[in-house]
Amino acid sequence: DQQVKQNSPSLSVQEGRISILNCDYTNSMFDYFLWYKKYPAEGPTFLISISSIKDKNEDGRFTVFLNKSAKHLSLHIVPSQPGDSAVYFCAASAASNFGNEKLTFGTGTRLTIIP
Amino acid sequence: AAGVIQSPRHLIKEKRETATLKCYPIPRHDTVYWYQQGPGQDPQFLISFYEKMQSDKGSIPDRFSAQQFSDYHSELNMSSLELGDSALYFCASSSSGRFYNEQFFGPGTRLTVL
Repeated sequence: DQQVKQNSPSLSVQEGRISILNCDYTNSMFDYFLWYKKYPAEGPTFLISISSIKDKNEDGRFTVFLNKSAKHLSLHIVPSQPGDSAVYFCAASAASNFGNEKLTFGTGTRLTIIP
Repeated sequence: AAGVIQSPRHLIKEKRETATLKCYPIPRHDTVYWYQQGPGQDPQFLISFYEKMQSDKGSIPDRFSAQQFSDYHSELNMSSLELGDSALYFCASSSSGRFYNEQFFGPGTRLTVL
């Protein structure tokens, strides 16, 4: 049962334009969401996160939007750069007293930035 | 900045052999997580440790065991290896103390079982 879903396995975007990656989740207990970027033969690199008390979090070129009622989040990258080409994973976890809950990952979206 | 260190980076074993994967968390991180990523799949949670105690357990086979040591490094021991154990194994670490904490991942160990 895939509790975190990324329905687009791949996405191609022109350099300089906006990249929008989408993620849906089903588990109502999730209230912390993260985006990771992964290059081949490397571990996932943390990009940005958002807790359920917010609907937007911004860090430089990266913005994450959360729609709790729709159980949907999205990552916006603007402007897109060639170095952004990678696989992007959405991940979710629940809150805990120690903040060390496991992550549940989506299936990933391969983003290709076209020069 | 120091990152999560995993060793070895690559490991080739025969069926029924054993393997030990090591993970050294970011300094002052007290929680370690192990994830398994099969070919074309998303990372799946195996097990985690907080302050040297097992804190959560996922889809980890009984043939696998893990522990966290006094210096917070962790080892994943895999016995009676099967072909299906071939995967990337990631270790991640985080610090506790807030409701939400980012997990930072190591480069992974690629295990190939022949």
